[in-house]
Order: sequence, then C-alpha cells, then structure tokens
Amino acid sequence: ETGVTQSPTHLIKTRGQQVTLRCSSQSGHNTVSWYQQALGQGPQFIFQYYREEENGRGNFPPRFSGLQFPNYSSELNVNALELDDSALYLCASSLLRGATDTQYFGPGTRLTVL
Amino acid sequence: DQQVKQNSPSLSVQEGRISILNCDYTNSMFDYFLWYKKYPAEGPTFLISISSIKDKNEDGRFTVFLNKSAKHLSLHIVPSQPGDSAVYFCAASSKTSYDKVIFGPGTSLSVIP
Repeated sequence: ETGVTQSPTHLIKTRGQQVTLRCSSQSGHNTVSWYQQALGQGPQFIFQYYREEENGRGNFPPRFSGLQFPNYSSELNVNALELDDSALYLCASSLLRGATDTQYFGPGTRLTVL
Repeated sequence: DQQVKQNSPSLSVQEGRISILNCDYTNSMFDYFLWYKKYPAEGPTFLISISSIKDKNEDGRFTVFLNKSAKHLSLHIVPSQPGDSAVYFCAASSKTSYDKVIFGPGTSLSVIP
C-alpha cells in the first residue's frame, strides 16, 4: 500500500505566474484536503474534495482552485502568484469525508515565489 | 484570529520524564480534537484524538486530556523518548464545519538523552 505522494518536492516561481501542484492519494481514499503551511505556522485548510467535487473551502481567494480525478489523484492550482504564497503545500487523503476520519499527509511541496 | 493556540513554541524534556504539550481554543463549537506529529521533511502524522464527549483518551505512552470549560487540552507523553522529538500540532474541528480542520502553530519538542 503506497502512502500519499506529492510532486514536485520544490518549486520556484515568480510573482504573477501560475503553478500546479500534484497529489496522489493513499490507495482506496476518495477524499483529499489541501493545506498551506507558512513558516512557523500550522497548516491552514484550503479546501477538500470528495469524489471529484469540492466539499468545503477555507479562507482562500478564488485564484486557489483544485481538481480531483476519477483515480482520486488531485491538483492544486494557484493563479497570479503573490510573494505571500510562498509556503509548504500539504495534501492529505482520508477514507471518509469530514475531519473525524484520520488524514494521511504527504511530505509537501515547498513553493517559493520571487 | 487564531482559533487554536499553542503558546509554547518549544519545549525541552529529559528522556524518561513526562512531556506536557498544551493547547487552547476559542471556538466553543469545536467538538473534536486531534494531535499530529511532524518530523522535518515529512508530512504530519496523526497521533491521537478526542471527542468532546470525553475528557481523556489514552493510547500507549500518549494521553490527551480535554477541559471543555477552560477550552484547554493537553497531550502527555510518558515516558518521553528521543524519537519523540518533533513538532506537535494541536487541531480542532466542529460538526458545523466538519470538513475543516483548524491547526495550531505547533510546539517543537526536544527530548534530551
């Protein structure tokens, strides 16, 4: 059974560009959540997808968008990058919707915006 | 507005002693609480959770205590081991927003051999 994987590991972009981050869920998991972790802070909830539909969203602007595919892999897209978007982006998969089911996190993608 | 607070950024404990990590929350709608552990270059891993209908939950060396009236929870690790050195995140969720988990800023625990 493979765990949650994310690609790429590191990424450097410039302000105004667009970025796509990818996540492969743990086998059998149909729910994926994305988090942004800024330096020195805890992960902040961006959104959750369940069976290819957005299931909930945190306080992030619309330029943060996502997709979940039939094989339950997922993408996080960020348009018009800003310097403050520099952070570790984590995805987490779970078997069930909701916060009470254990979430399994990937190692993250470190995004630097210059 | 931080809804989940961990006021100690770091904590050092001798191997074999008890580690106590504290967490406070402000939202009275929170009814489920979790602790995650994070090693460098890895994602957080689930450690232990507690529902608001309980005041204590134990799993091996790890015990979480919940004091609803004080909006406070704590994680006890007994005995502490060097492998426990990591960042610990307290997190919370509510039935009204069940998809969303709110994390605290974390406490870095160092267990000294």
